[in-house]
Amino acid sequence: EVQLVESGGGLVQPGGSLRLSCAASEFTFSRFWMTWVRQAPGKGLEWVANIKEDGSDEYYVDSVKGRFTISRDNAKNSLYLQMNSLRAEDTAVYYCARYNNYGRYSLDVWGQGTTVTVSS
Amino acid sequence: DIQMTQSPSSLSASVGDRVTITCRTSQDIGNFFAWYQQKPGQVPKVLIYAASTLQSGVPSRFSGSRSGTDFTLTISSLQPEDVATYYCQKFNSAPGWTFGQGTKVEI
Repeated sequence: EVQLVESGGGLVQPGGSLRLSCAASEFTFSRFWMTWVRQAPGKGLEWVANIKEDGSDEYYVDSVKGRFTISRDNAKNSLYLQMNSLRAEDTAVYYCARYNNYGRYSLDVWGQGTTVTVSS
Repeated sequence: DIQMTQSPSSLSASVGDRVTITCRTSQDIGNFFAWYQQKPGQVPKVLIYAASTLQSGVPSRFSGSRSGTDFTLTISSLQPEDVATYYCQKFNSAPGWTFGQGTKVEI
């Protein structure tokens, strides 16, 4: 079964750092753009960052530029999100998702999410 | 930058009603567009990809269409299990793969 499993969430103080991971299985990870999406409590979905198949291009929502870094290790079928200088407004469930660029333009596979809470 | 607006933010309809949700982009983005359904406490799932193609396994009462920069999700006959929040999403480089604000559908 095609699957994404996130880990690394938790409680962190404002200004702190956290690294999220997303393990992919049962598909050729290196053929797909990958993305992080977050959802603050009671709010809508917010695209956070994405990264090209080979890791050569990455894009970020303005609110996290300079603080978050998306990366991937295709040999390990893994996606990462390094989050620094965390703020209360970064509190959210973070999902990793696969972008299907092969005609099925959509995020067609999602993980279950990992919760990040930024609070003192 | 390409802006996107989703409407309405919420709606209430009766079982069997036809429901329409719209997203409008400020520039042409082609068919790089998708619709998602998120039920309370669940992970979002794709309903429509490439603007108008129904994802496998999604009931045929859901449909998507595009007219220029206007994208529409239609539920032809609303069912109780369709209570959810629906999101649109565009895929282009600037300012990113933005989601619409969401439409909460209630019975």
